[in-house]
Amino acid sequence: AQSVTQLDSQVPVFEEAPVELRCNYSSSVSVYLFWYVQYPNQGLQLLLKYLSGSTLVKGINGFEAEFNKSQTSFHLRKPSVHISDTAEYFCAVRNNNAGNMLTFGGGTRLMVKP
Amino acid sequence: EAGVAQSPRYKIIEKRQSVAFWCNPISGHATLYWYQQILGQGPKLLIQFQNNGVVDDSQLPKDRFSAERLKGVDSTLKIQPAKLEDSAVYLCASSLMLESLNIQYFGAGTRLSVL
Repeated sequence: AQSVTQLDSQVPVFEEAPVELRCNYSSSVSVYLFWYVQYPNQGLQLLLKYLSGSTLVKGINGFEAEFNKSQTSFHLRKPSVHISDTAEYFCAVRNNNAGNMLTFGGGTRLMVKP
Repeated sequence: EAGVAQSPRYKIIEKRQSVAFWCNPISGHATLYWYQQILGQGPKLLIQFQNNGVVDDSQLPKDRFSAERLKGVDSTLKIQPAKLEDSAVYLCASSLMLESLNIQYFGAGTRLSVL
């Protein structure tokens, strides 16, 4: 079975500061990794994904994430956040032997302050 | 391209009542998913369809939850009777195919409050 742990339930940060949202996963087989963002009263939107190849993945809105197999991590980063980045962020893992089934972490609420 | 449509957006019912949610996936998407998102948690998969067949419903509480996708397009999720712990956002997602790297696209969800 696979699982995802997002270590921080809330991350407050000032506008234009850098941010890192942490994600660790466990799985007995190789996986695909995803970050989704959820704005208030909206569905989930894909930020970025790691399937194979380069371990540094760039996504939309200036976000990037780095896959670290030895540490089983997939942390999300942005060098300078904006007020509009305030949202809930979910890390998800898909076992590449499974039928597109996603397992989500508990989410991290990013709160950007002026 | 139109996204995944869900209705209603909000529903308030009393415990032991029944409720139904509707989902219209992105046109051409063969795979449809229903997730339950309890406040403060990540989404949890309830059921997964490929066209009109069920692929995985291992986490669906079948004593009270049911779902169907009769013509392989729209889907309905029903709860009967509802319990207090069913209060959550119910998200529908779709993707092109099941066994592929296709991405899941999510609707805005239906927020259910059971009183």
